[in-house]
Amino acid sequence: GEDVEQSLFLSVREGDSSVINCTYTDSSSTYLYWYKQEPGAGLQLLTYIFSNMDMKQDQRLTVLLNKKDKHLSLRIADTQTGDSAIYFCAERMGYGGATNKLIFGTGTLLAVQP
Amino acid sequence: DTAVSQTPKYLVTQMGNDKSIKCEQNLGHDTMYWYKQDSKKFLKIMFSYNNKELIINETVPNRFSPKSPDKAHLNLHINSLELGDSAVYFCASSPPGSGGNTHTQYFGPGTRLTVL
Repeated sequence: GEDVEQSLFLSVREGDSSVINCTYTDSSSTYLYWYKQEPGAGLQLLTYIFSNMDMKQDQRLTVLLNKKDKHLSLRIADTQTGDSAIYFCAERMGYGGATNKLIFGTGTLLAVQP
Repeated sequence: DTAVSQTPKYLVTQMGNDKSIKCEQNLGHDTMYWYKQDSKKFLKIMFSYNNKELIINETVPNRFSPKSPDKAHLNLHINSLELGDSAVYFCASSPPGSGGNTHTQYFGPGTRLTVL
């Protein structure tokens, strides 16, 4: 199947860490992504991880990948009110080039309380 | 400079009408996509084109017809609009290749279509 699951909602206080979780289905996925969507806006690529990596850090963002469990997480350190948005994980499926498509998760709404 | 642009941003129309959404990218990418985001924010791919050639067609009704006049443009034409077509439509593009950052898809701002 092509189901990518995420929890629907996460609420944190400003300054705390946020952890957004995702489970995917295709063990052959080579790249996994995190996108951010602010209200009324398009999708902004935050970061991605190659499937042979366990962890990737990019400033306040840390991505953890457990390939055995097909589990991906995004940790945002020192969460700010500007981080409030919907976060989508996505896995890439396809055979390369233009056959690639992104299968998106259901999205997690992150609400940051001041 | 806008990398992936879409027009219009909002589109309100009556059932049964025919409408088009335009997408342009100035990134020099070969591959372009259309995605649909429904009212529950669920995003699903509709089409992909590589250098004007249709590659992916995800069992979208044939009322939807993408057209790529050149590799920088991928327009979406919708015939006989239905209530269920109301959604936000996103265009995206990606560079050629399969490694490094060349797989990344860059998204436009979206077109919110409302069918009355």
